[in-house]
Amino acid sequence: DAMVIQNPRYQVTQFGKPVTLSCSQTLNHNVMYWYQQKSSQAPKLLFHYYDKDFNNEADTPDNFQSRRPNTSFCFLDIRSPGLGDAAMYLCATSREGGAAYGYTFGSGTRLTVV
Amino acid sequence: DAKTTQPPSMDCAEGRAANLPCNHSTISGNEYVYWYRQIHSQGPQYIIHGLKNNETNEMASLIITEDRKSSTLILPHATLRDTAVYYCIVRVATYGGATNKLIFGTGTLLAVQP
Repeated sequence: DAMVIQNPRYQVTQFGKPVTLSCSQTLNHNVMYWYQQKSSQAPKLLFHYYDKDFNNEADTPDNFQSRRPNTSFCFLDIRSPGLGDAAMYLCATSREGGAAYGYTFGSGTRLTVV
Repeated sequence: DAKTTQPPSMDCAEGRAANLPCNHSTISGNEYVYWYRQIHSQGPQYIIHGLKNNETNEMASLIITEDRKSSTLILPHATLRDTAVYYCIVRVATYGGATNKLIFGTGTLLAVQP
């Protein structure tokens, strides 16, 4: 089945050690999103790609970067993780261009910073 | 910022209809209302979306008021597996409308009781 896949499901990293989370999709959607969800909070949009165009949310810290080498893959890089970056990171995709479509989410990567 | 407000929690008896309200008084004319739910530690799951008309699918019904300032998600026969956080979301345009993004509100925790 077409889907959004996030790897790994659980990631433990050391304080200050760079970490990369990955997302892949088989839906051929042109837009990919990264959300951060802290415990008992709603998902918060960090940034998204419309094709190769990157759109950062105004309050996303510089510590968070993203890469999208092709349509299928998108990466979230945290350059120097702090304890406050421990969260579930969700990837989502959508197909844009006129009508309203559903957004498909992955199962998320739960990041622990030690 | 989120454009929706929802009650933080609701209870519903198993087998009864669950009616989840949402206010979106600042919604613009071309902005869609989406509903997602999130079961603990999983990615959000799409339920339904609409613009002006009421919508129904195999999961739920969406009732949007004529002035579009509020909506209600109806789960016709709630089961224990419907216990989740339900998010009412207004899809916000970016890039002058070329693409869109989902900005989550705080959601409603629906607890279905046996």
